[in-house]
Amino acid sequence: GIQVEQSPPDLILQEGANSTLRCNFSDSVNNLQWFHQNPWGQLINLFYIPSGTKQNGRLSATTVATERYSLLYISSSQTTDSGVYFCAVSRTGNQFYFGTGTSLTVIP
Amino acid sequence: GAGVSQSPSNKVTEKGKDVELRCDPISGHTALYWYRQSLGQGLEFLIYFQGNSAPDKSGLPSDRFSAERTGGSVSTLTIQRTQQEDSAVYLCASSLRAGNQPQHFGDGTRLSIL
Repeated sequence: GIQVEQSPPDLILQEGANSTLRCNFSDSVNNLQWFHQNPWGQLINLFYIPSGTKQNGRLSATTVATERYSLLYISSSQTTDSGVYFCAVSRTGNQFYFGTGTSLTVIP
Repeated sequence: GAGVSQSPSNKVTEKGKDVELRCDPISGHTALYWYRQSLGQGLEFLIYFQGNSAPDKSGLPSDRFSAERTGGSVSTLTIQRTQQEDSAVYLCASSLRAGNQPQHFGDGTRLSIL
């Protein structure tokens, strides 16, 4: 399978701060997605980003497929950003491999 | 419905019993995925369906696990002779099609084996 490593494992931010989350993967992929799992366990799709850069409000993501990593940027963090952020990758769109996540806590 | 619907939301059962978990994907989505998430862990792929094609069962942990998808829509995940290590949240996701589409998740079924 594909190894997916996320860093940092845990992150505590003051409200308003910016952060960068990283996802490294061990093989070529054609599908990469970022998810946010809120404290109630719901998984929300943030980005489908196999390559390039996308932005959605305060969040943006960049994937450099040739170097096998992706970055998720959170700007002006809010308490509602708290939760676990997962990166998931796939070679074919069939089987997906998830990282163990970055647990983010934003304190007011 | 507007999103992926899973039922039941919680299931408590005794070791050795069989359980059935249901997933109703977003209308029109041809790809459907089942995952398992143990406490504090990432998601573990179980099985994938694409339309009427044969499913990818490569993630099923044992022959006690099986899944069906009838009519290309609703799917059921069945666990026979449950064990305590089967306790986890079982999550279902769907996408418009496989390959280059985002996945959308249901709220999951929390399964507890006593």
